[in-house]
Amino acid sequence: GAVVSQHPSRVICKSGTSVKIECRSLDFQATTMFWYRQFPKKSLMLMATSNEGSKATYEQGVEKDKFLINHASLTLSTLTVTSAHPEDSSFYICSARDTSRQETQYFGPGTRLLVL
Amino acid sequence: LAKTTQPISMDSYEGQEVNITCSHNNIATNDYITWYQQFPSQGPRFIIQGYKTKVTNEVASLFIPADRKSSTLSLPRVSLSDTAVYYCLVGDLGGGFKTIFGAGTRLFVKA
Repeated sequence: GAVVSQHPSRVICKSGTSVKIECRSLDFQATTMFWYRQFPKKSLMLMATSNEGSKATYEQGVEKDKFLINHASLTLSTLTVTSAHPEDSSFYICSARDTSRQETQYFGPGTRLLVL
Repeated sequence: LAKTTQPISMDSYEGQEVNITCSHNNIATNDYITWYQQFPSQGPRFIIQGYKTKVTNEVASLFIPADRKSSTLSLPRVSLSDTAVYYCLVGDLGGGFKTIFGAGTRLFVKA
């Protein structure tokens, strides 16, 4: 299957700082990428849909000014958690769709964020 | 988006066949059914996808009845390493396929 990478795999930061997470589709182009967060023993919760060259679409209850999403190219989307607080600590996962094949999504390995 | 319902958990033993059924009564005409596997602290891994009847690949089979209101993921001869959470998702591939995850099924394979 297609490969999606995330960087970093884990990050620890101080409260009040901002953290950027990268999501890359390595062997295909992705017009659409998705960002999820997952708390322990819970399911994935969709945060936003990222479309290349346009603004992201956020799910209800997700603060767009806090979770900044940029999808500058067909292979890269970034999620920036601004002014992070301990309650933002979570597992963040991205996914991407292979535009050319209209297949399902392929997921990245996830990024573990811990805010102290 | 069609809502899905799966058993919360299942137990099995090594070497057995495991069938996990998912209900999706409101599935739309253009919706496909996709199953993912997730291990702790990893992203979901694609297992299989189908539209109707039966699909088989090297790791699983997917059975979809004619009314498509449910589907069954079949894992042949499970091993301890198949212990994971399995998610059933339904969506239109051509329509952006915004994916809403249900609770998933936690499969525990015992020796």
